[in-house]
Amino acid sequence: DVKVTQSSRYLVKRTGEKVFLECVQDMDHENMFWYRQDPGLGLRLIYFSYDVKMKEKGDIPEGYSVSREKKERFSLILESASTNQTSMYLCASTKPFRANYGYTFGSGTRLTVV
Amino acid sequence: KQEVTQIPAALSVPEGENLVLNCSFTDSAIYNLQWFRQDPGKGLTSLLLIQSSQREQTSGRLNASLDKSSGRSTLYIAASQPGDSATYLCAAPANQAGTALIFGKGTTLSVSS
Repeated sequence: DVKVTQSSRYLVKRTGEKVFLECVQDMDHENMFWYRQDPGLGLRLIYFSYDVKMKEKGDIPEGYSVSREKKERFSLILESASTNQTSMYLCASTKPFRANYGYTFGSGTRLTVV
Repeated sequence: KQEVTQIPAALSVPEGENLVLNCSFTDSAIYNLQWFRQDPGKGLTSLLLIQSSQREQTSGRLNASLDKSSGRSTLYIAASQPGDSATYLCAAPANQAGTALIFGKGTTLSVSS
């Protein structure tokens, strides 16, 4: 089975901290994504990456950055955490567009910023 | 820009009923559409992926249809069970060139025994 693993299920961080959310996939997928999910707003795309060291902004990139140094790992970085970044963060991966392949999601990280 | 809408937002049915969840999308130039299930506090589990060349896809008691011309997809659940209680999300690609999915806000299903 394809696996997307997010390193933490729950995190509590203080305002102003630098926060790293890690995501690892084991199926050699080229594309990886970070979404956040909030009640009433649904899933919104933060960033995605279609290759090592490549990144594209999604709909809500402000306050976030990403890193993809290896194909299997995609990190989301909150440069200075704020309370409005309290949310559920979901990582996903898939093959390239032309493969016409579905997404696989991780189990999510519930981040609380206090 | 692709927009995905799901109706209804919530649905309650007694066990054993057949039901239909609806999904509409604005950009019909999609190459696939995917249905997911999400249990409270958990990640998304893929249920069905329908390619643009297909009209239907089936998995067990689930059947998903895709009508690109009308911008609609439906998820049919046969003989519902309490274990089917969850939020169901549909998602379509943002555009023809990119792979980022745009999600509907989901339909929360409650099946009572």
